[in-house]
Amino acid sequence: GAVVSQHPSRVICKSGTSVKIECRSLDFQATTMFWYRQFPKQSLMLMATSNEGSKATYEQGVEKDKFLINHASLTLSTLTVTSAHPEDSSFYICSAMGDRDTEAFFGQGTRLTVV
Amino acid sequence: GDSVTQMEGPVTLSEEAFLTINCTYTATGYPSLFWYVQYPGEGLQLLLKATKADDKGSNKGFEATYRKETTSFHLEKGSVQVSDSAVYFCALSAYPSGGYNKLIFGAGTRLAVHP
Repeated sequence: GAVVSQHPSRVICKSGTSVKIECRSLDFQATTMFWYRQFPKQSLMLMATSNEGSKATYEQGVEKDKFLINHASLTLSTLTVTSAHPEDSSFYICSAMGDRDTEAFFGQGTRLTVV
Repeated sequence: GDSVTQMEGPVTLSEEAFLTINCTYTATGYPSLFWYVQYPGEGLQLLLKATKADDKGSNKGFEATYRKETTSFHLEKGSVQVSDSAVYFCALSAYPSGGYNKLIFGAGTRLAVHP
């Protein structure tokens, strides 16, 4: 299957700082990317959907000013957690889908710990 | 709203045992159903899928049948191996009401297989 690379895999940051997570499609053009978060022992929850060149669509309850998503190219989307707080500590995972694909491919995920 | 419920884990089995992980769903319309697997330290990988009622998805010895009458998509494998140890996620695609490939996940079931 296609490869989606997510970086970093783990990050620890201080409360109040911002953290950027990258999601890259390595061997296909991703017109749509999805960002999920997963709390311990809970399911992945969709945060937002982004299409290349347009603003992301956020799910209800997700603060768009706190979780900034940029999908500037067909191979890269970034999620920036701004002014991170300990309650933002979670596992964040992206997935990417090509134009005519029926399958979304997932990155490895990023474990964010805010101290 | 649409949702997926799967059995809580962990599920602990001996090698060559029979595996069943239950999954039921609630959805309007006619969703596609998926099983994803997440090995330690890796992203989610699509294991199998079914797009309409009575379809059977199968891959690597795993099977699941889309049962519309019981709104279920239980995952089965006749003889598990240690290498099957992972977390398994049941998911549905809420298309068209939720957008193509917008996935709704269950909480995940951890499977541990011992020699």
